[in-house]
Amino acid sequence: NAGVTQTPKFQVLKTGQSMTLQCAQDMNHNSMYWYRQDPGMGLRLIYYSASEGTTDKGEVPNGYNVSRLNKREFSLRLESAAPSQTSVYFCASRTTGSTFYSNQPQHFGDGTRLSIL
Amino acid sequence: KNEVEQSPQNLTAQEGEFITINCSYSVGISALHWLQQHPGGGIVSLFMLSSGKKKHGRLIATINIQEKHSSLHITASHPRDSAVYICAALNYGGSQGNLIFGKGTKLSVKP
Repeated sequence: NAGVTQTPKFQVLKTGQSMTLQCAQDMNHNSMYWYRQDPGMGLRLIYYSASEGTTDKGEVPNGYNVSRLNKREFSLRLESAAPSQTSVYFCASRTTGSTFYSNQPQHFGDGTRLSIL
Repeated sequence: KNEVEQSPQNLTAQEGEFITINCSYSVGISALHWLQQHPGGGIVSLFMLSSGKKKHGRLIATINIQEKHSSLHITASHPRDSAVYICAALNYGGSQGNLIFGKGTKLSVKP
């Protein structure tokens, strides 16, 4: 029962370094999401992919890029890490389709704790 | 003003107490999602509801669409219920599944 798998679980970077956070789901879900979680704030959407081959910006996309490599995988890249990107990053997925399926919950990974010095 | 507000922010209870966490929203929604985040950090979906009430074990979630309000109740609370509880509104239409999150309620249940 893997669900949504994120790698790595922890990472420390220096300012200016680049890094890719990996996310894979084995539930055949169409939609995938990347969030960041910061103290005192709710989860904020960085990017999402409604279906394979499409990606869209969320609330806080600046400084990030994403790739929906295939239906299973959705990666998040920091090209030049900044201390403001220190956060916990969550990947999620859900099934979608017709309106009938719209009220389906998102399934979350365990998160990646990223510190940028 | 946040579109999804939770109260209280922090809650301490004694084991066995009945607990209520509230969520109010100001946007049109298709459904409301309750999530649980344990100290280890993982996020688990508890309920998704668009009307009425849902129950799972000692957890009960209710929603009043007219009043734009939802509650999560925990009966006979236990220390293992200690976690952050998050409500999230699924935007009206819901085709993209994008959620608007509250800031969470941190629950601590003392033995």
